[in-house]
Amino acid sequence: DIQMTQSPSTLSASVGDRVTITCRASRSISSWLAWYQQKPGKAPNLLIYKTSSLESGVPSRFSGGGSGTEFTLTISSLQPDDFATYHCLQYSSYSWTFGQGTKVEIK
Amino acid sequence: QLQLQESGPGLVKTSETLSLTCTVSGDSINSNVYFWGWVRQPPGKGLEWIGTIYYSGSTYYSPSLESRVSISVDTSKNQFSLTLSSVTAADTAVYYCARLRRQSNSWPHFDYWGQGTLVTVSS
Repeated sequence: DIQMTQSPSTLSASVGDRVTITCRASRSISSWLAWYQQKPGKAPNLLIYKTSSLESGVPSRFSGGGSGTEFTLTISSLQPDDFATYHCLQYSSYSWTFGQGTKVEIK
Repeated sequence: QLQLQESGPGLVKTSETLSLTCTVSGDSINSNVYFWGWVRQPPGKGLEWIGTIYYSGSTYYSPSLESRVSISVDTSKNQFSLTLSSVTAADTAVYYCARLRRQSNSWPHFDYWGQGTLVTVSS
């Protein structure tokens, strides 16, 4: 199994801040990494797939990077609607593993 | 517009079998572009992949649940289903059904989710 380690588990930030979340894979997953946003009581919403491809309709302040075993999600200027929990997902070889999630809170 | 709707009992007794169905509307489950899957989320915790199915019936299961899980597809009803046997309190979670999109030369990833349904396991 591929394990995904996401950090930090909680992040306190202010509107306008630049925010970065990291996911590390236990072995190389090439670029097969996606990011999701989840708000309380709601299903996850796809933001980014294949490490850096922005899903249609997602604001350009969201960006993804990395390769191999280390990946990042960056929000360039945090907006009020961005306070939520973010999950990474590795998807390779017909196996899927989520990170533990990062809650972005208002500072 | 694509909709995925989970249905099934909200309460299951310990040691019994959990059964859920996902009804897909607005798209055909008979597609060579999409896979279909189940993910769960225990209260206050992260997401856990359970399993994935292709319309042909090919299935892929989480190693940690494989001995207790079965996923099937009914293309005539545009539905796919989950069964999880011998449940315990640790299986209490919101269960989501979801679509996975496979683009050219890529593995499939989750791109659209149902609203989720809470299943509580209790004696």
